[in-house]
Amino acid sequence: EAGVTQFPSHSVIEKGQTVTLRCDPISGHDNLYWYRRVMGKEIKFLLHFVKESKQDESGMPNNRFLAERTGGTYSTLKVQPAELEDSGVYFCASSQEGYQETQYFGPGTRLLVL
Amino acid sequence: DAKTTQPTSMDCAEGRAANLPCNHSTISGNEYVYWYRQIHSQGPQYIIHGLKNNETNEMASLIITEDRKSSTLILPHATLRDTAVYYCIVRARNTGFQKLVFGTGTRLLVSP
Repeated sequence: EAGVTQFPSHSVIEKGQTVTLRCDPISGHDNLYWYRRVMGKEIKFLLHFVKESKQDESGMPNNRFLAERTGGTYSTLKVQPAELEDSGVYFCASSQEGYQETQYFGPGTRLLVL
Repeated sequence: DAKTTQPTSMDCAEGRAANLPCNHSTISGNEYVYWYRQIHSQGPQYIIHGLKNNETNEMASLIITEDRKSSTLILPHATLRDTAVYYCIVRARNTGFQKLVFGTGTRLLVSP
């Protein structure tokens, strides 16, 4: 069974540009989460999808971040325009239906904004 | 979710058991204890979880005290590949509390 995949693995962009990160969850997983770690800080929750619906987006830092999950399969996280403080590692995780199902993480996308 | 406290770092000799403690004195009855680890440059990896009984799987054992105020993750025969940051996370079993709240974790260094 394939795990959670993320694309790209690395992205280097200039301040003001737009970047779109993609996450493909484990097949059949209804729950999809985005987390990120910025330099020197802890891993922080961004948002949670149940199928195509946003269940919890309390961790989204500001309106420059837009997450979508059309059709309830893969998800994208767009940062527009990117700022220096957006640099970090963005992780995606997925889990099966249910409130206590284990979350499985992808390898992350390393974003560097110059 | 209840707050957890872990030592900042620990060392372990290869082949020996690694015992990683976690305090969660404010844990409530419906909260599970989860352990994840993050090996350098990889995504967090699920290890094990439990409610009140001790648990064991192919990776580790989880010992939860009777009062549930603390727990210990045991890696029975640590290898160099177990060097990672280990996170103890307490997670409520309620609607809307599905996110994982990561602390600073314990940095485990396994040496030859």
